[in-house]
Amino acid sequence: DVKVTQSSRYLVKRTGEKVFLECVQDMDHENMFWYRQDPGLGLRLIYFSYDVKMKEKGDIPEGYSVSREKKERFSLILESASTNQTSMYLCASNNSGRGDSPLHFGNGTRLTVT
Amino acid sequence: DQQVKQNSPSLSVQEGRISILNCDYTNSMFDYFLWYKKYPAEGPTFLISISSIKDKNEDGRFTVFLNKSAKHLSLHIVPSQPGDSAVYFCAASPDPSNTGKLIFGQGTTLQVKP
Repeated sequence: DVKVTQSSRYLVKRTGEKVFLECVQDMDHENMFWYRQDPGLGLRLIYFSYDVKMKEKGDIPEGYSVSREKKERFSLILESASTNQTSMYLCASNNSGRGDSPLHFGNGTRLTVT
Repeated sequence: DQQVKQNSPSLSVQEGRISILNCDYTNSMFDYFLWYKKYPAEGPTFLISISSIKDKNEDGRFTVFLNKSAKHLSLHIVPSQPGDSAVYFCAASPDPSNTGKLIFGQGTTLQVKP
């Protein structure tokens, strides 16, 4: 079974802090994604990466950056956390460019910014 | 601009009856549609998909119907079971270059009552 592991289930940070969310997948997947889930808005794509050191902006990249130095690891960085970044963050991966290749999600990180 | 819409935030059905979850989209270039199920404190898991060249796909109790002229798809669960209670997300593959990213709807919370 594919496993996508997010390093923290819950995080509480203060406004202005730099925050790192880590994600590791164990199936040698090429593509990795960061989404955030908010009530009434569904899942929105922040950034994705289709290769090591490659990244592309999703629909809501403002206030975020990413890093992919190794194939299995994809990090989401909040340069200066703000209260409107309080959310559930979901990492996902898949290994094909086919449109129906399912994304495999981690269990999420619930981030609260106070 | 919400390209994939689930207009019903919640649905409640009796165990053994049919559950019908609906999804509308705006972009006629979407080539695949997928449904995901999400339990609390877990990441979404893939349920079923359909190609835009088909109008029906079935997998056990789950059937997805696609009406391209109406830009509408639906997920039917028959018979519904209490374990089906979860949030269901509709998703579409928007990218002809097939980077694997998906656009998600807002989600519908299904409650199946025993």
